[in-house]
Amino acid sequence: GAVVSQHPSWVICKSGTSVKIECRSLDFQATTMFWYRQFPKQSLMLMATSNEGSKATYEQGVEKDKFLINHASLTLSTLTVTSAHPEDSSFYICSVMRQETQYFGPGTRLLVL
Amino acid sequence: AQSVTQLDSQVPVFEEAPVELRCNYSSSVSVYLFWYVQYPNQGLQLLLKYLSGSTLVKGINGFEAEFNKSQTSFHLRKPSVHISDTAEYFCAVSDIAGGSEKLVFGKGTKLTVNP
Repeated sequence: GAVVSQHPSWVICKSGTSVKIECRSLDFQATTMFWYRQFPKQSLMLMATSNEGSKATYEQGVEKDKFLINHASLTLSTLTVTSAHPEDSSFYICSVMRQETQYFGPGTRLLVL
Repeated sequence: AQSVTQLDSQVPVFEEAPVELRCNYSSSVSVYLFWYVQYPNQGLQLLLKYLSGSTLVKGINGFEAEFNKSQTSFHLRKPSVHISDTAEYFCAVSDIAGGSEKLVFGKGTKLTVNP
């Protein structure tokens, strides 16, 4: 498998501020990472695919200027929610791809007041 | 385009009873199939996967699933559940022939094991 961590596990911020979430692959070098969001009692929605050293690929309807993704190294991808608003409150989960299988992090709960 | 249907949004069972969580997919190409479990306020944990080979796949925690290509199904089963199996279960598919690493998820099935 693969071991994935996320930091922070939860964050509360004021509307209009920016929040950075880190996703780390702890036991192997991940060229591809994925970012998802999950609303209460719903399934996961893919936001973007993060590729090391290149620009992320965003899913239709996801604002790339609002959700900034940086995959600067083979073990770290970051998601920055810029100018967060209450509707951005959600559970954000990252995953890494290893041998045709995605392994997920523990998630980050974001609450925007 | 692929899609995944989990036929039951909620499945209540008693402890030590058998359970089957149903999953059907639609795809015009060969696929990889996965089952993940999510405990409250946590990420997803891989239960099992079908990539190729034997259609009966065994996973962690006593779960197994059978890939049925003709019925486009990948149902998850456990012969005797425990209270600790209470969680949300997601079926997912990826399009291997199309070279896509993306996962398409079902809407999830909430399994509740009662004493």
